Amino acid sequence: QVQLVESGGGLVKPGGSLRLSCAASGFTFSDYYMSWIRQAPGKGLEWVSYISSSGSTIYYADSVKGRFTISRDNAKNSLYLQMNSLRAEDTAVYYCARDLWGELGAFDIWGQGTMVTVSS
Amino acid sequence: EIVMTQSPATLSVSPGERATLSCRASQSVSSNLAWYQQKPGQAPRLLIYGASTRATGIPARFSGSGSGTEFTLTISSLQSEDFAVYYCQQYNNWPPLTFGPGTKVDIK
Repeated sequence: QVQLVESGGGLVKPGGSLRLSCAASGFTFSDYYMSWIRQAPGKGLEWVSYISSSGSTIYYADSVKGRFTISRDNAKNSLYLQMNSLRAEDTAVYYCARDLWGELGAFDIWGQGTMVTVSS
Repeated sequence: EIVMTQSPATLSVSPGERATLSCRASQSVSSNLAWYQQKPGQAPRLLIYGASTRATGIPARFSGSGSGTEFTLTISSLQSEDFAVYYCQQYNNWPPLTFGPGTKVDIK
């Protein structure tokens, strides 16, 4: 079945780094645009970053620009988020999500999320 | 950046009743508006895209309407599994993609 599984979350100190992964299965990963979306504890949803199917087009939210890097490996059916210079306000559940085909920017498949906690 | 607002913040409804949730955009998003449902401890689930098209597998009791800056999600007869938080999201003018703050639908 169509599935996204995130991994790589954990506890990290302010200023530290973490790399999140998202493994895709059940669909042709290389055909789809992908995003990372996060949710701070008890808060709403915040879009973080987007990458096109080939990886040639990338966007970031202003809150993470210059600190986070999105990438993908279509041969491995995987999406990544490299997070550097982490801050307390980056604490959140991070979801990877697939763009709905033909509706660029709407998300039809979400992973279960991985928790990132930034604390000393 | 397009700012999305939702009202009310909390909606208390009895099972079987109708629920009407509102979403407003700070500028026109045409029909590029999605609705998501999120239950505690779960990822969001796409309900509606294109303002009014139900996603695959979504029951007919969910309907969306509106265009431009004003949108509505209607749940015609609330079932127990529908008590959740609902988010709207615009994808017309981005980056950034922006979500509303959510409406919590709870049991009256």
